[in-house]
Parts: sequence; structure tokens; C-alpha cells
Amino acid sequence: GAVVSQHPSRVICKSGTSVKIECRSLDFQATTMFWYRQFPKQSLMLMATSNEGSKATYEQGVEKDKFLINHASLTLSTLTVTSAHPEDSSFYICSARASGEWETQYFGPGTRLLVL
Amino acid sequence: DAKTTQPNSMESNEEEPVHLPCNHSTISGTDYIHWYRQLPSQGPEYVIHGLTSNVNNRMASLAIAEDRKSSTLILHRATLRDAAVYYCILRDRTSGTYKYIFGTGTRLKVLA
Repeated sequence: GAVVSQHPSRVICKSGTSVKIECRSLDFQATTMFWYRQFPKQSLMLMATSNEGSKATYEQGVEKDKFLINHASLTLSTLTVTSAHPEDSSFYICSARASGEWETQYFGPGTRLLVL
Repeated sequence: DAKTTQPNSMESNEEEPVHLPCNHSTISGTDYIHWYRQLPSQGPEYVIHGLTSNVNNRMASLAIAEDRKSSTLILHRATLRDAAVYYCILRDRTSGTYKYIFGTGTRLKVLA
């Protein structure tokens, strides 16, 4: 149980285009989902916290108009990188916290974004 | 913010036990200690978590110091598949949410 999927697993896009990444909790309901970014050889950096039915909370330094987050259902959150540039190339990882299970997060497999 | 400190890297021989330490001296009384591991190009994988008592599961054991200011993840018999970055994590209590603060983790190398 507690499986989180992400789609796509990797994406290559041209500079200036927008890219949408989906995060799904497959066998549980997630009231809260988290989006992280990870650059090579570095640790995970939290970008935003997404609560179902409400606006996402972004970490300091993360542009909310560039990284649009939607959490429309208890099993799906999406991250859209708008007007992507090469510096946005990174490994994007989501996690989900199960309703009623306050402490543990379950992570998706990650999405590798390359912006040319 | 409650933060954790881990050695940057460790090495172990295959089939031998591995003890991965973590210091969390500013932990509060209600904070759980979580351990995850991340294989290359994958998302973190849940390993184990605990509050006060030592914990065992099929993957590992977690030994928590009596004062809770440190803990040790124990892999009883390391295999090559255990080579990964291991993160000891506390949640960010100051924000009132349940977000994690990731440190740099320990890169475990397993020697055949």
C-alpha cells in the first residue's frame, strides 16, 4: 500500500513552454501533497505544500506564478512549470501524506525535467 | 527548526551490519524520527520511523537514544542494493504543518 505515482517520468521541452507534472496517490487519500526539487548531488528542497481544495503554500524564494500547483482531488496534485527555462531543469519529486496518518510521507518516483 | 546532522558518507562490506547515526539535539517531545533512503534517480523510499522506543521492521531497526537527541538506523546485513543516500528527518514544527526538513543525508557505499 501507500503508492504514489508521477507522470511523466521524464520530459524534455523547449525553453518558454509549459510543462505539467501529475502526482497521484494510488491506494490512499492524501489531504496534503508536497512538491520538492532536487538538483544533482544535492538534497531535496521543498517547493510547496498542497492541500486539497485550497491554495498551495510556497516556500520562500519559490515563485508561485511560475510553479502553479493544483490539488483538485484527494488523489491528484499537479505542478505546472510555466515558461520553463534551462535553469528549471531538475528532478521534481512529489510526496503525499495520508489522511489521518499525520507523520509519514510517501514519495513518488520523481520526474526528470530537461529544458533545452 | 529541528534539524538533523549525519555523516556525509559511510562504507560497509556486503553481508555486514551497518549503523547509520543521526543527531537531532533540538528535537521536541512529540517529534517522530523518520528515515528514508534514496536510490539514484528515484524518489525517497520510506524505511522506518519511531518516537521513543526502538523499532524493527523488515527493512531495518531504529535505535533511539533515551534522551532522543540521537538515533541510529541499523541495517542488519548490508547488500549491494542498500547502497543509497539515507536521510534522517524531523518534521518542521515551527510552521505548524507536517513538512519535512531534509538534511544532506549519508551516502552509504556497500563493498562487494
